[in-house]
Amino acid sequence: DQQVKQNSPSLSVQEGRISILNCDYTNSMFDYFLWYKKYPAEGPTFLISISSIKDKNEDGRFTVFLNKSAKHLSLHIVPSQPGDSAVYFCAASGGGGADGLTFGKGTHLIIQP
Amino acid sequence: DTAVSQTPKYLVTQMGNDKSIKCEQNLGHDTMYWYKQDSKKFLKIMFSYNNKELIINETVPNRFSPKSPDKAHLNLHINSLELGDSAVYFCASSQDSAYNQPQHFGDGTRLSIL
Repeated sequence: DQQVKQNSPSLSVQEGRISILNCDYTNSMFDYFLWYKKYPAEGPTFLISISSIKDKNEDGRFTVFLNKSAKHLSLHIVPSQPGDSAVYFCAASGGGGADGLTFGKGTHLIIQP
Repeated sequence: DTAVSQTPKYLVTQMGNDKSIKCEQNLGHDTMYWYKQDSKKFLKIMFSYNNKELIINETVPNRFSPKSPDKAHLNLHINSLELGDSAVYFCASSQDSAYNQPQHFGDGTRLSIL
């Protein structure tokens, strides 16, 4: 039972354009959401997060949008750069305590020159 | 200077053996975790430790046992290894046990069972 879903296994975007990665969740107890970036043979690297009390959080080229009623979040990267090519994981937590993160399956972003 | 480090990076062993994976964090964090990434690429929580106390334990076989000598270390011991244990195991840490803390990951240990 996937509680966090990333329905696009891969996404190809031209350098300089906007990359939009999507994520859906089913568990209404989730109230903290994160995006991680992962290169091959490395661990996930924290990118940006958002609390459920907000609908947008921005950090440089990265912006995360949260639509709580739709149980949907997205990560916007603009402008996309070659170094952004990686697998992006959406993750969620909630319920209090040291809850582990629940991850999506990841989206492989490929930035084309 | 590596924040969360795991050793070994690769581990190849026979079925039935016992093995350990070590994890250390130099971030001064209070909470550490172990995750398993299976062949379908899902990352799933296995354990977490907060101030040396186990606080969650998902449906993991009791052949897996986390051991924390101090808050900077969380080792994973696996007894009687099975083929299905082949996966990448990631260690992570967070500042405290609050749910709204980002977790920082090590580079993973790829375990292959022959």
